[in-house]
Amino acid sequence: QKEVEQDPGPLSVPEGAIVSLNCTYSNSAFQYFMWYRQYSRKGPELLMYTYSSGNKEDGRFTAQVDKSSKYISLFIRDSQPSDSATYLCAIPFTGGGNKLTFGTGTQLKVEL
Amino acid sequence: GAVVSQHPSWVICKSGTSVKIECRSLDFQATTMFWYRQFPKQSLMLMATSNEGSKATYEQGVEKDKFLINHASLTLSTLTVTSAHPEDSSFYICSGNRYDNEQFFGPGTRLTVL
Repeated sequence: QKEVEQDPGPLSVPEGAIVSLNCTYSNSAFQYFMWYRQYSRKGPELLMYTYSSGNKEDGRFTAQVDKSSKYISLFIRDSQPSDSATYLCAIPFTGGGNKLTFGTGTQLKVEL
Repeated sequence: GAVVSQHPSWVICKSGTSVKIECRSLDFQATTMFWYRQFPKQSLMLMATSNEGSKATYEQGVEKDKFLINHASLTLSTLTVTSAHPEDSSFYICSGNRYDNEQFFGPGTRLTVL
């Protein structure tokens, strides 16, 4: 079993839609979780991180963690064409050292 | 956020040659930098951890003699792909670890080996 699994997509939605992106993880010891956004041919950029269960909101983005089911989600409200990118969830690397393990990424396209 | 640059952004080389990729943290010092490889439509795979002033630590399955890493200063790490072959063609991305442990990623280097 992979340490983190992500719905592969691709996902295509109309502008203004609510987008739900999801990952599951295997190690219940993980304490924090991250979402990165990667535009085509660019490096990832950190969108949000959360240390605990529950929701964390930042503008149109909400990160949600359900530790009981080992499930993390990123919601995008009022999606815009500029949100078109690949979204990757990330968890701490088993063994520490501030290394990260990434999900495979979900490619999102928001259409006009 | 902090800025990490990579050079070159795109390189094409012949099979058997070596290619050096630079990763620089422009506005912060990074005692640790990470090198990742990303194949098309796949996720980032950690290759190695680069520590300033010491040897790099490689992940399982990554050949240290093929992927030479040097972390010469707190703002510069280099990855040299030696004797490159077409299967080494990939997108190489570095990240720098800031003092607060947040990682900042470079824009990536696309390597094509003919």
